[in-house]
Amino acid sequence: AQSVTQPDIHITVSEGASLELRCNYSYGATPYLFWYVQSPGQGLQLLLKYFSGDTLVQGIKGFEAEFKRSQSSFNLRKPSVHWSDAAEYFCAVVPRFNKFYFGSGTKLNVKP
Amino acid sequence: EAGVTQSPTHLIKTRGQQATLRCSPISGHTSVYWYQQALGLGLQFLLWYDEGEERNRGNFPPRFSGRQFPNYSSELNVNALELEDSALYLCASSLGGGGTDTQYFGPGTRLTVL
Repeated sequence: AQSVTQPDIHITVSEGASLELRCNYSYGATPYLFWYVQSPGQGLQLLLKYFSGDTLVQGIKGFEAEFKRSQSSFNLRKPSVHWSDAAEYFCAVVPRFNKFYFGSGTKLNVKP
Repeated sequence: EAGVTQSPTHLIKTRGQQATLRCSPISGHTSVYWYQQALGLGLQFLLWYDEGEERNRGNFPPRFSGRQFPNYSSELNVNALELEDSALYLCASSLGGGGTDTQYFGPGTRLTVL
């Protein structure tokens, strides 16, 4: 079955530490890939997206993600986390010209 | 430029009633998407409208329906409400459809079914 998996429900990191949020998908072809962030009480905001080309994509707020075809993964990274990054992060997958699938989300807590 | 707006912010209904949720896309956007965000389930894709037509729908029963008006605003209707319909309903819009255009999300409508 087609699916998007974010294996980490909650992650806690210290401010200034590095961050990696995992996302795996199971689709036949390379889909379009997105990361969104949802801050408390706010709507979702696009961080970055991948359609094709360079497998390392840069986004807003200092985030980046790397597409690894062999692992069917699109992990989100940030070298140094800020307290304002505390939010819920969603990976989204769009099989070409098909429906839209979001992962179940990863809640990030940032320790001072 | 105004973002995606949704109304109402909160909606309380009882089982068996009907709920109507509204969404106004960003000016110039022709595609509107609806998602359900239930506690612990992430975002579930409901419906996608583009140029007034329903282009795709998620795995939801027919009592979830909607439409898109000539001004590209959209309405989501949920008939015969059930307790498990309680969720945050998010609307998003994009310039076009097909998955490549960035979706911009509204703040959502919190539906509570008692």
